[in-house]
Amino acid sequence: DAEITQSPRHKITETGRQVTLACHQTWNHNNMFWYRQDLGHGLRLIHYSYGVQDTNKGEVSDGYSVSRSNTEDLPLTLESAASSQTSVYFCASRPGTDENEQFFGPGTRLTVL
Amino acid sequence: KNQVEQSPQSLIILEGKNCTLQCNYTVSPFSNLRWYKQDTGRGPVSLTIMTFSENTKSNGRYTATLDADTKQSSLHITASQLSDSASYICVVSRRGGADGLTFGKGTHLIIQP
Repeated sequence: DAEITQSPRHKITETGRQVTLACHQTWNHNNMFWYRQDLGHGLRLIHYSYGVQDTNKGEVSDGYSVSRSNTEDLPLTLESAASSQTSVYFCASRPGTDENEQFFGPGTRLTVL
Repeated sequence: KNQVEQSPQSLIILEGKNCTLQCNYTVSPFSNLRWYKQDTGRGPVSLTIMTFSENTKSNGRYTATLDADTKQSSLHITASQLSDSASYICVVSRRGGADGLTFGKGTHLIIQP
């Protein structure tokens, strides 16, 4: 069955380290998204991509980057992790336009010490 | 500013009882509204989508309503089950422009036996 996966599911790192969170989907969706979810906030968009070589900044993109070298993967990189980036990160993919459902991965819980 | 407000923030009901969750939004121009269910430790899953012309839509024991004039939506859960314990997130899509989803903070629902 087609699916969307994230790895690792849990990560503990230290301030200043570079961290990469993986996202892989097998639906062949062009559109992929990264969100963070924190207590007291709704899901907030970090970066998104509409296809290979396309990346766009979302609402809370500072300190994060993404790259899209193929349809299946959208890795999220924290260039220099900060304690404020402790959060749960969700990757999502979607076919076509926003009338279609976004399918979310299981999430990655990141702790920055 | 595009916003989605959900109420109540949290709710505890007994198994078998009904409940209604509310969502008010200021997103414009409106494209569609989705209700997502998010189980603890998992990604959100879509329950239903409402477009501008739809007033009511059911998915099993879940019934969503939309009043596009007052910019309000509700999610009614009938004969609640323990498996309904989750966060319910209202997500409104803005028509046109860059990817324009606005997420509510969610209602945390607990079903007690």
